[in-house]
Amino acid sequence: QSALTQPRSVSGSPGQSVTISCTGTSSDVGGYNYVSWYQQHPGKAPKLMIYDVSKRPSGVPDRFSGSKSGNTASLTISGLQAEDEADYYCCSYAGSYTFVFGGGTKLTVL
Amino acid sequence: QVQLQESGPGLVKPSQTLSLTCTVSGGSISSGDYYWSWIRQPPGKGLEWIGYIYYSGSTYYNPSLKSRVTISVDTSKNQFSLKLSSVTAADTAVYYCARVPRAYVGFDYWGQGTLVTVSS
Repeated sequence: QSALTQPRSVSGSPGQSVTISCTGTSSDVGGYNYVSWYQQHPGKAPKLMIYDVSKRPSGVPDRFSGSKSGNTASLTISGLQAEDEADYYCCSYAGSYTFVFGGGTKLTVL
Repeated sequence: QVQLQESGPGLVKPSQTLSLTCTVSGGSISSGDYYWSWIRQPPGKGLEWIGYIYYSGSTYYNPSLKSRVTISVDTSKNQFSLKLSSVTAADTAVYYCARVPRAYVGFDYWGQGTLVTVSS
């Protein structure tokens, strides 16, 4: 069970859109529609932003959207705001009641 | 509003057993609508799923940690616990407890986390 692959960092200017990728295998991301995304500000616990690939929990702005194609899932943040600067982690169900996280991506708002 | 709170020693000696408890308030562990999970994050690194438990006692563990991990539940105290044996410095991390709804797949509520350092 290897960690999912995410870019170490991405950046964008306020108002722009950024996309963070999360690449796994057919045993995790590609095999199930169970990818979730988490936002983590420094010193804080992660916050669920997307579940089941593309669904948003109540209270999460619709600027955050998720998708999946094959073994790669993506998180897109549109209309970037300063408060979106954080670390983002993807997570996938990996079969046999197990989960695997990505290595994390640092989003910088320029 | 459900809240989760981790508790336990912040310092553990190498080769000993790390023990943490997560106390759930604002909801019942016995409701059956959720799984209860442990996740850790070494300083400056990413998240690692450790395992989770259902109120009935059914457990599921990360294969890479399975030989050293035990997760248990005490429904009378609305708590669940983590034991990690034979710890080394590599087990130094912030340990989080979190909730997973049965209705969908995602960790929807998290504790604030507790730092456990493994050092002599």
